[in-house]
Amino acid sequence: EPEVTQTPSHQVTQMGQEVILRCVPISNHLYFYWYRQILGQKVEFLVSFYNNEISEKSEIFDDQFSVERPDGSNFTLKIRSTKLEDSAMYFCASSASIWSGRTGNEQFFGPGTRLTVL
Amino acid sequence: DAKTTQPTSMDCAEGRAANLPCNHSTISGNEYVYWYRQIHSQGPQYIIHGLKNNETNEMASLIITEDRKSSTLILPHATLRDTAVYYCIVRVGGGSNYKLTFGKGTLLTVNP
Repeated sequence: EPEVTQTPSHQVTQMGQEVILRCVPISNHLYFYWYRQILGQKVEFLVSFYNNEISEKSEIFDDQFSVERPDGSNFTLKIRSTKLEDSAMYFCASSASIWSGRTGNEQFFGPGTRLTVL
Repeated sequence: DAKTTQPTSMDCAEGRAANLPCNHSTISGNEYVYWYRQIHSQGPQYIIHGLKNNETNEMASLIITEDRKSSTLILPHATLRDTAVYYCIVRVGGGSNYKLTFGKGTLLTVNP
């Protein structure tokens, strides 16, 4: 069964450093997402990406964050200057569609990257 | 997206049906009910979704009341591996709405 993969599984970085989290969505999917979950808290939406541009973003997704689909398979989340409060599990997801009345709109999530900022 | 209310936690015996309720009294006509679950810090997993008719798939059944103000997710024969946080999410079905808005969900514990 196809699945979303994420690398690395755990990233430790120093405050102020740049990090890039990588994701390989399911190959025929068109919509890509990043979510995060701070330990013990809710899963929070960060951004969605479609047709090579951001389609929706949350208030969390400020200028320190960026996303990119550098080739036909990878989808990345970059944090330019990490803060302590960026420590969280980051989940990538993908879907074939966004239309609930049709099949393929469910979002498939990857296993996550645990980011620890020291 | 409409707000949902779920119990904080529930217990279920292994092999029995687990019935997880969700209230969404402010749901509007173009909003669908989705269920996802998260097993111990893994990525959320899609279970099922519906608009107004009851739905069934290989994982679960979704029962939506006629007025659509509440729904119940049914796991017909719960196993220990079904222990997870279950999220009921109400979401507009497409257009410019891409995100899933997760609440705190219900922690379902399946006991041997």
